[in-house]
Amino acid sequence: SQQGEEDPQALSIQEGENATMNCSYKTSINNLQWYRQNSGRGLVHLILIRSNEREKHSGRLRVTLDTSKKSSSLLITASRAADTASYFCATTSGTYKYIFGTGTRLKVLA
Amino acid sequence: GAVVSQHPSRVICKSGTSVKIECRSLDFQATTMFWYRQFPKKSLMLMATSNEGSKATYEQGVEKDKFLINHASLTLSTLTVTSAHPEDSSFYICSARGSWDEQYFGPGTRLTVT
Repeated sequence: SQQGEEDPQALSIQEGENATMNCSYKTSINNLQWYRQNSGRGLVHLILIRSNEREKHSGRLRVTLDTSKKSSSLLITASRAADTASYFCATTSGTYKYIFGTGTRLKVLA
Repeated sequence: GAVVSQHPSRVICKSGTSVKIECRSLDFQATTMFWYRQFPKKSLMLMATSNEGSKATYEQGVEKDKFLINHASLTLSTLTVTSAHPEDSSFYICSARGSWDEQYFGPGTRLTVT
């Protein structure tokens, strides 16, 4: 399977703490994107990082990309209860198809 | 921003019947749309790529005769689950490809086959 791996599979933290989740993939990529999905809902696009970029910020989100290790991380700072969701990375490589990672289920406790 | 809708959002059907799910790009034209399937607490798995005016391209292991895809216009793709069985119960999500290869995702359709 070409599917990427994410870890941890599940993460439970207290409100105000930082949450870090990691994504590893198997082939060279054009870009990598992070999505959030609330239970039973569609995907919300969070951030895109291109293969020639190493770090990107958007509000409380920080994404890094290490193409030599074929991995990316998503950091959510000062987490809130509303951040509770599943987070997926998705990569594209050569074609416009997205390959999704296995996902991290984040629970932020108030 | 680009909006993609799906209809219905939830559907319950009896085993052996067929059910059609619609995916529409509301404010842009999409020559390419994608259909994904998601099991509970699992990731999205690409089922097929839907191309306007031509046959869909299915991923390995996806039954073409089971999951019929029609992309009749630049704003509409449909997925028909034929002769549905309980194991077809799942969350189906579509996406539409934008001008710069980005994908815009629909809100998903929850299919339950009894």
